[in-house]
Amino acid sequence: GNSVTQMEGPVTLSEEAFLTINCTYTATGYPSLFWYVQYPGEGLQLLLKATKADDKGSNKGFEATYRKETTSFHLEKGSVQVSDSAVYFCALSEATDSWGKFQFGAGTQVVVTP
Amino acid sequence: ETGVTQTPRHLVMGMTNKKSLKCEQHLGHNAMYWYKQSAKKPLELMFVYNFKEQTENNSVPSRFSPECPNSSHLFLHLHTLQPEDSALYLCASSQDGYSGSSETQYFGPGTRLLVL
Repeated sequence: GNSVTQMEGPVTLSEEAFLTINCTYTATGYPSLFWYVQYPGEGLQLLLKATKADDKGSNKGFEATYRKETTSFHLEKGSVQVSDSAVYFCALSEATDSWGKFQFGAGTQVVVTP
Repeated sequence: ETGVTQTPRHLVMGMTNKKSLKCEQHLGHNAMYWYKQSAKKPLELMFVYNFKEQTENNSVPSRFSPECPNSSHLFLHLHTLQPEDSALYLCASSQDGYSGSSETQYFGPGTRLLVL
């Protein structure tokens, strides 16, 4: 079956540091890939997505490129802020013979210190 | 963000109580979902409704009972819960296509449930 694996947290870094969160997936077909972010006390918000190989999703300074050859969708940001402290979820969605299904990773907590 | 709303935001209930969680989406979507988020565990998909029909039930105990009266509203009825059911319950919606493609899911803020 489909699965998503992302690096365990927490990831602690200083403001203005470079952030990378690794995400790899297994899927039988051609999934769409997503990054969601969850701030404390809130639900999940879509951060970015990519729907086919070599697509790059970007939003709020975050980027991720759909790499089919390595089945990866790593999230990066060049200079993090304290306000980026949150839990980040990698997810895939693949159409099936019934309805599309989402598969989420376990989440990676990011803590940015001043 | 007011696309998907959930009430109540917090709920404390005893194991013999009956309560309901409500979700409403204002996005014109045709699919709605219930997820359970427990500490240090991946998101667990509980139920999926497409065009008001339940299309998935991931072996959820019968003490959780979903209801989808129309494509904008989704309820989760709770009765005789256990302490291990304490978690954040998230509702989501999406616009799914007939071909089986699944579009982006939009989440509500969740209901934080504590079962005593």
